[in-house]
Amino acid sequence: DQQVKQNSPSLSVQEGRISILNCDYTNSMFDYFLWYKKYPAEGPTFLISISSIKDKNEDGRFTVFLNKSAKHLSLHIVPSQPGDSAVYFCAAGWGSQGNLIFGKGTKLSVKP
Amino acid sequence: KAGVTQTPRYLIKTRGQQVTLSCSPISGHRSVSWYQQTPGQGLQFLFEYFSETQRNKGNFPGRFSGRQFSNSRSEMNVSTLELGDSALYLCASSPLQGEAFFGQGTRLTVV
Repeated sequence: DQQVKQNSPSLSVQEGRISILNCDYTNSMFDYFLWYKKYPAEGPTFLISISSIKDKNEDGRFTVFLNKSAKHLSLHIVPSQPGDSAVYFCAAGWGSQGNLIFGKGTKLSVKP
Repeated sequence: KAGVTQTPRYLIKTRGQQVTLSCSPISGHRSVSWYQQTPGQGLQFLFEYFSETQRNKGNFPGRFSGRQFSNSRSEMNVSTLELGDSALYLCASSPLQGEAFFGQGTRLTVV
């Protein structure tokens, strides 16, 4: 059973517009969430994280929103740039556990 | 500060063989985790080592094993390779809970 789900395998957005990537989770034990960006043949690169005690975290063009009651989080990229084209993974963890549970990823394409 | 280093980057093995992959974490990071990425399956957690002890283990058969040395470097071993083991194997190191820093991965092809 998937504990972290990214239901959209792909998303296409025009340059300059907003990209919204969504993630749902089922495990109430998760107390922090992360977003990673991945290019082909490279390891994932950390983008932004959020603790379960917050509902929003912002870093430059990237904002993550957390809705605990809905067990849903989203990553907003504004404005989107062609260099943002990559696969984005949502991940969740809890306590001092070192393992992260990843979603299957959403491939974002930003068109010029 | 050097990032996470994984060696080798690419590997081709035949079925039935065994393979060892290596990971050097970021200096000062004591937690090392391993993940397998295959098309359509995303990143799946293999195991995590902290201070030379396996702290967490994912849902993989016993053919997959690992260890961590006193300098935090880690190795993972896969014995009796199967075609389905072909994947990108990623190592991540963490200082504490939360953010994990990934290496570039080892692309393993089993033929």
